Amino acid sequence: DIQMTQSPSSLSASVGDRVTITCRASQSISKFLNWYQHKSGEAPRLLISAASNLQGGVPARFTGRGAGTDFTLTISSLQPEDFATYYCQQSLNSYTFGQGTRLEIK
Amino acid sequence: EVRLVESGGALTQPGGSLRLSCVASGFTFSSFDMHWVRQAPGQALEWVSALGGGGDTYYSDSVKGRFTISRENAKNSLFLQMDSLRAGDTAVYFCVRGNYYDSGRGLIDAFDFWGRGTMLTVSS
Repeated sequence: DIQMTQSPSSLSASVGDRVTITCRASQSISKFLNWYQHKSGEAPRLLISAASNLQGGVPARFTGRGAGTDFTLTISSLQPEDFATYYCQQSLNSYTFGQGTRLEIK
Repeated sequence: EVRLVESGGALTQPGGSLRLSCVASGFTFSSFDMHWVRQAPGQALEWVSALGGGGDTYYSDSVKGRFTISRENAKNSLFLQMDSLRAGDTAVYFCVRGNYYDSGRGLIDAFDFWGRGTMLTVSS
């Protein structure tokens, strides 16, 4: 099984900050990596597919990079609506999510 | 507008059975793979099961042999029959649409629309 490890598990930041979340796969997954945003009580939202492809309607302040085993999600200037939990997911071999990164307001 | 609405979650005893339902709207249901993903309290998301448009079924090791995924395309509905339930199955269950995206090196699948989920609690 492919394991996905995210860091940090939680992060406190302020509106306007630049933040980066890291996701590491236990083996190479090429670009089979997606990022999701989840706010409690709501439906999760697909932000980025194939490591770097921004979904329609997702603000350009979200950027995904990486290939192989190491990936990042960067939010260039945090907005109030960005405080949520973020998950990476591999889809090369079945589907595995990272443990999540909870982004909180400082 | 794509909508996925789950129902059927409840409190049930260990060893019991339950059937979750999901009604889809806003897209051609029969053309898409559909999935169930769950989230136990305070835990990460966990993929549970998938059903392709062609009828192929897939399960996580944790539910294989106990859960059965099915669909009724005429009613735009997805189901998850859950038997031999355990405390560890307690979670919010999300109905999810799968889609394929070009990575530049081939197609990659991702979960592009999710429902809000339905809560299953397995407890005596």
